[in-house]
Amino acid sequence: NAGVTQTPKFRILKIGQSMTLQCAQDMNHNYMYWYRQDPGMGLKLIYYSVGAGITDKGEVPNGYNVSRSTTEDFPLRLELAAPSQTSVYFCASRPSTGEADTQYFGPGTRLTVL
Amino acid sequence: EDQVTQSPEALRLQEGESSSLNCSYTVSGLRGLFWYRQDPGKGPEFLFTLYSAGEEKEKERLKATLTKKESFLHITAPKPEDSATYLCAVQADNNNDMRFGAGTRLTVKP
Repeated sequence: NAGVTQTPKFRILKIGQSMTLQCAQDMNHNYMYWYRQDPGMGLKLIYYSVGAGITDKGEVPNGYNVSRSTTEDFPLRLELAAPSQTSVYFCASRPSTGEADTQYFGPGTRLTVL
Repeated sequence: EDQVTQSPEALRLQEGESSSLNCSYTVSGLRGLFWYRQDPGKGPEFLFTLYSAGEEKEKERLKATLTKKESFLHITAPKPEDSATYLCAVQADNNNDMRFGAGTRLTVKP
């Protein structure tokens, strides 16, 4: 299994541009999450999904959108990028049974908005 | 509101010098407390889940313990490869997400 994969690894955007951060998992996990991590700070939840077609806001959703059309994929959309969105973005997933509370993280996408 | 505070922010140890990292939390009802390790430029890697006060878990040189207000990550005879940032997170009852602390950056010198 590849686990949780994220693309791209790095991206530089200009203010006002849009982009989609990709996240995929091959573990058949129902739950998927998007976090951002700023320097010296903990991870903050942006959006999460409990299954295909179901998404919900986390702690810091403003400026972002998500969709979940399949179990495997959970893309994060940035519209009108702002310097405040410069951060490292992590996607995570977890199962709904078994070790249901353990989240598995991808390698991250480092985004800079100039 | 759920809160997680980790201390110290940074810790420098000599190889073999044992110590502990602290995670204090406030949550309406604890479903689970999690410890992750994060290496520079990488995603967090799962270490432990603790569910109830008094519970302990061990993995190699690491041992995690839990009380009703805090958790400790004890590191016994650390090695340079234990250098990383250690993150603590809590999940409340009837909640699908976790709240993270800011982490403790551990450096172990040979």
